[in-house]
Formats: sequence, structure tokens, C-alpha cells
Amino acid sequence: AQSVTQPDIHITVSEGASLELRCNYSYGATPYLFWYVQSPGQGLQLLLKYFSGDTLVQGIKGFEAEFKRSQSSFNLRKPSVHWSDAAEYFCAVGSYGQNFVFGPGTRLSVLP
Amino acid sequence: EAGVAQSPRYKIIEKRQSVAFWCNPISGHATLYWYQQILGQGPKLLIQFQNNGVVDDSQLPKDRFSAERLKGVDSTLKIQPAKLEDSAVYLCASSSSGLALGETQYFGPGTRLLVL
Repeated sequence: AQSVTQPDIHITVSEGASLELRCNYSYGATPYLFWYVQSPGQGLQLLLKYFSGDTLVQGIKGFEAEFKRSQSSFNLRKPSVHWSDAAEYFCAVGSYGQNFVFGPGTRLSVLP
Repeated sequence: EAGVAQSPRYKIIEKRQSVAFWCNPISGHATLYWYQQILGQGPKLLIQFQNNGVVDDSQLPKDRFSAERLKGVDSTLKIQPAKLEDSAVYLCASSSSGLALGETQYFGPGTRLLVL
């Protein structure tokens, strides 16, 4: 069965520092990978997605993610975090004929 | 372009009561999804509609949950009777066709349900 793990429940970084959020998946088929962000009281907003081509994907708000098939990972990165980036981040995986599965999320706190 | 609308935003009920949530997807979107997000967890797909037909309801607790999308536009999710463990945020999402691989789902703000 497909699964998505996000090993870090909560991460705290200082404003201006770099950020990497981890995502690992277990999928039998070719996965389609997504990162969503959820701010308090808000719905989920798509940051970026990967389904083919260049394994380094650029998204909105300065985020990028790299698909590494050998490591079954799709980690999200940002070179310089802003206070407004504090939110919950969800990795999600889909595949043809399979349900869309979300990871448990990583909560990001940003110190001034 | 208007986003996905949901109402109510908050609901508090007692166990064994009934509750209904409403969702209006982005105009023209054929596919509509209902998710349940329990505190501290990622969203879990409950049901997926393609126009007014059900594509996947394998994770919907059918003994108490029901959903409909009669005219292929807006949708209602009902819980009857509610249990304590139904306390969660119920998210509605839509996508343009649901058929394209990697298609983006657009989410509404959610309805936060508390069952006492």
C-alpha cells in the first residue's frame, strides 16, 4: 500500500535561515508528488508539483523541491525563510489509478 | 476567479446528532473531493465525485456518512449520527477534470466540526 512519511513533526528556524522539509514515499507505480501549505484557518495551497521531466521543481513563494527516485524522496527547500512561511506543510503523492495520499505534515515555526 | 466555497466554517454538535456540510467548487470543475483532516494528521480522502457520479468512496464510513452531488455542481456531506471521533476539519477540493495525471486540486477553507 502507498504511504507518505514526513519524519519531522515540527521544525523551528530563524528568519533568513535556509529550510529543508523531508518527504519520503512508498509507492509501487510512478508517483506524482505535491507539496501543499496550510496556514492557520486556511485551506491547503499548492506550492509545487512533480510528475515528469526535470527532477528539480520550482514553486511559488520561492520554494523548490527535488525528486530523488533512488531515495524515494521529495524534499522541499527554501534558501531564506520569511516569518510569513510559518505554517503546516504537507507532502502528497498520487499515481494513476491510486488514491491521493497526504503525509502527516510538518509544522514550521519561524523565529524573528 | 472565485475559489472553493464551504459552509459552515465551524460547527459544534453533540454526539448522535446529525450535521451537514456544503461545498461549492470552482466554476466548471468536474471533479469534487471531500477530505477529513483530524488534528495532527494529513487530510484523508473520503469521497471523490466526477460530475455527479462517485469515482471513489472506499474510505467513506458508509454506516454514518453520506454525500451527494446531484447536479454535478455543489455537494453536501452528511454525518448521521455523529461520533466523538468525527471531530475534524472537513475539506472540500475541486479539480478541472480529475482525469489528467498530476492535476491540481484546489481546496476550500474547510469546516471545523467539534462533536461533544
